[in-house]
Amino acid sequence: SAVISQKPSRDICQRGTSLTIQCQVDSQVTMMFWYRQQPGQSLTLIATANQGSEATYESGFVIDKFPISRPNLTFSTLTVSNMSPEDSSIYLCSVRTWTASEAFFGQGTRLTVV
Amino acid sequence: GQQLNQSPQSMFIQEGEDVSMNCTSSSIFNTWLWYKQDPGEGPVLLIALYKAGELTSNGRLTAQFGITRKDSFLNISASIPSDVGIYFCAARGVQGAQKLVFGQGTRLTINP
Repeated sequence: SAVISQKPSRDICQRGTSLTIQCQVDSQVTMMFWYRQQPGQSLTLIATANQGSEATYESGFVIDKFPISRPNLTFSTLTVSNMSPEDSSIYLCSVRTWTASEAFFGQGTRLTVV
Repeated sequence: GQQLNQSPQSMFIQEGEDVSMNCTSSSIFNTWLWYKQDPGEGPVLLIALYKAGELTSNGRLTAQFGITRKDSFLNISASIPSDVGIYFCAARGVQGAQKLVFGQGTRLTINP
């Protein structure tokens, strides 16, 4: 299995500001994903982070609001831009590895926008 | 779009009781997964199912991939306090093979 480190683990941010969340994996992975989990809700895929190219966004999510980078096979960032209280959620990094069939999740970043 | 309907939304049981939850969909899936999420943590994979009709166990947990490929269930036998948490089903469809769709979750509470 892969060990996923997400930073920060939680943050309280002012509306209108931006926050960048980092996801670091201890080994090379094939796929990296970013999910949002709104309070008391299920997980919704934001985008697939592609190494060296633009992320693939799901319906309802756009690059201007959620820019994503993935410069190599072990690291990705998600930025939540121009935040509003509606962006208060848990943001989760997920990966699939060369040897494991299924997705592992980081511990998540709990974001509160005030 | 593809949706998973997970039930029940919540369960309140006594320690030692068995638990059963399920997910259904109108869409066909190639893979069914069951995750557990503890407070402040990301989901952890419990069981993965890859073939229609497949029945797989992981300790006290048993899950099955429905024969129609549109549903799955998870059973927990002889529940213990550490089983408390939120259980999610997830599935991967024929198209977009990397993408997971998640159910709404079942919140399990156990009275000692």
